[in-house]
Amino acid sequence: EIVLTQSPGTLSLSPGERATLSCRASQIISSSYLAWYQQRPGQTPRLLIYGVSSRATGIPDRFSGSGSGTDFTLTISRLEPEDSAIYYCHQYDTSPRTFGQGTKVEV
Amino acid sequence: EVQLVESGGGLVQPGGSLRLSCAASGFSFSDYWMHWVRQAPGKGPVWVARMSSDGTNIGYADSVKGRFTISRDNAKNTLYLQMNSLRAEDTAVYYCARHPTLDVWGQGTMVTVSS
Repeated sequence: EIVLTQSPGTLSLSPGERATLSCRASQIISSSYLAWYQQRPGQTPRLLIYGVSSRATGIPDRFSGSGSGTDFTLTISRLEPEDSAIYYCHQYDTSPRTFGQGTKVEV
Repeated sequence: EVQLVESGGGLVQPGGSLRLSCAASGFSFSDYWMHWVRQAPGKGPVWVARMSSDGTNIGYADSVKGRFTISRDNAKNTLYLQMNSLRAEDTAVYYCARHPTLDVWGQGTMVTVSS
C-alpha cells in the first residue's frame, strides 16, 4: 500500500502568514489522484483539494495544491484564525486508499 | 441539499456484531460508488471499504476483510456496513463518503468495542 508521510507535525503561525504543508508518498501517484482535507475540532473532514490542485466547491482561493509523483504540497496563503485545524492528504490512485497522519495548523 | 446520515453505532462487546446504515439524499445515490471510512479517537481517517454503484465491485481494507460486509439498497438510497467479530481496535467513528474524491461525508456514527 502507498504510505503517505506528512510534515511538519505541527505548524504554528500568525494570521496573514503563509502555511506550507508537505505530503510525501512511498510510491509514485501516477494519476494525480491526491486530495487534501481539513478537519476542525469536533467536525467531519472537509474536502479542500482534489486531483492535486483542483479546489472543491466553496473553497477559497487562499488554498492551493501542487506537486507530482511522490511529493505534494498544500499552501494556505494569508492564514485566518478559522484555518486552525488538522490537514490530511489522501491518495485515491491505488487500493487500498490511504491517508497521511495529518499536520496540525495553529493560527 | 446533498446529505449522508449514518446510524447504528453503539457499545458492543468484543466478538459482537453491529450493522451501520448510511442514508443518502439530495443526489442520485444509485449513480455513485460509496465508501466507509473510520477514524479512531485522536487518529487520522482510515479507509475501510468501497462498493460500486451497482454493487458488483467491492473492496475492503485488510484489517476488516472477512469480518465486515459492505452492501447497498439503491431503492432505499442506503449504504450498509455489517460488522462481525468486532475487536477493540475497531473502536472509531464510522463515516460514509461519496466516491471518488470523498467530497461528501456524513456526520459519523460512533462504534465502541469494549467489555
